[in-house]
Amino acid sequence: NAGVIQTPRHKVTGKGQEATLWCEPISGHSAVFWYRQTIVQGLEFLTYFRNQAPIDDSGMPKERFSAQMPNQSHSTLKIQSTQPQDSAVYLCASSLGANTGQLYFGEGSKLTVL
Amino acid sequence: QQKVQQSPESLIVPEGGMASLNCTSSDRNVDYFWWYRQHSGKSPKMLMSIFSNGEKEEGRFTVHLNKASLHTSLHIRDSQPSDSALYLCAASRTGGYKVVFGSGTRLLVSP
Repeated sequence: NAGVIQTPRHKVTGKGQEATLWCEPISGHSAVFWYRQTIVQGLEFLTYFRNQAPIDDSGMPKERFSAQMPNQSHSTLKIQSTQPQDSAVYLCASSLGANTGQLYFGEGSKLTVL
Repeated sequence: QQKVQQSPESLIVPEGGMASLNCTSSDRNVDYFWWYRQHSGKSPKMLMSIFSNGEKEEGRFTVHLNKASLHTSLHIRDSQPSDSALYLCAASRTGGYKVVFGSGTRLLVSP
């Protein structure tokens, strides 16, 4: 079991560029979560999928952020027109079910916007 | 909007001492609480979960839950330097709702 895999581990973009982050959840897990972590804001919920369907995207900045889960083994988080305030560690997590509790986190993608 | 409040923000305890961390949810519909530990430069890993009123003990770690006050606490006895980390409390409702995290308590165990 390789755990949740996130790529890239580090990404540096210029202001206004696009960034796409990838997540491969643990095989058999039906729920996938995206979070953003900064020193100031802590671990912020962005969005979550259950059985590939989007369930709650209430944490997503609406205009520039989008997330998809085209198949059960792959989710993406896309940020258009990146801004310096988007700099953070983006964490993907999966779990067996939405309420069976334990989230397994990937190692994160550290995004730096210059 | 559901919020999870943790206190204190940071805590220093001597090696061998007891660390006590607190967490409260503002959402009266919360049913599940978890504690996660995040070492520096690593991702969060679940430490303990508690869903029913009362107490649960696993080794040096004890967690309490009072559902009426939506308050949970984590106690670490005989603290070790390796326990130094960010401790995150998380909460969720029944029915497939999102898992919301608090901002964490940073614990430092001094040798």
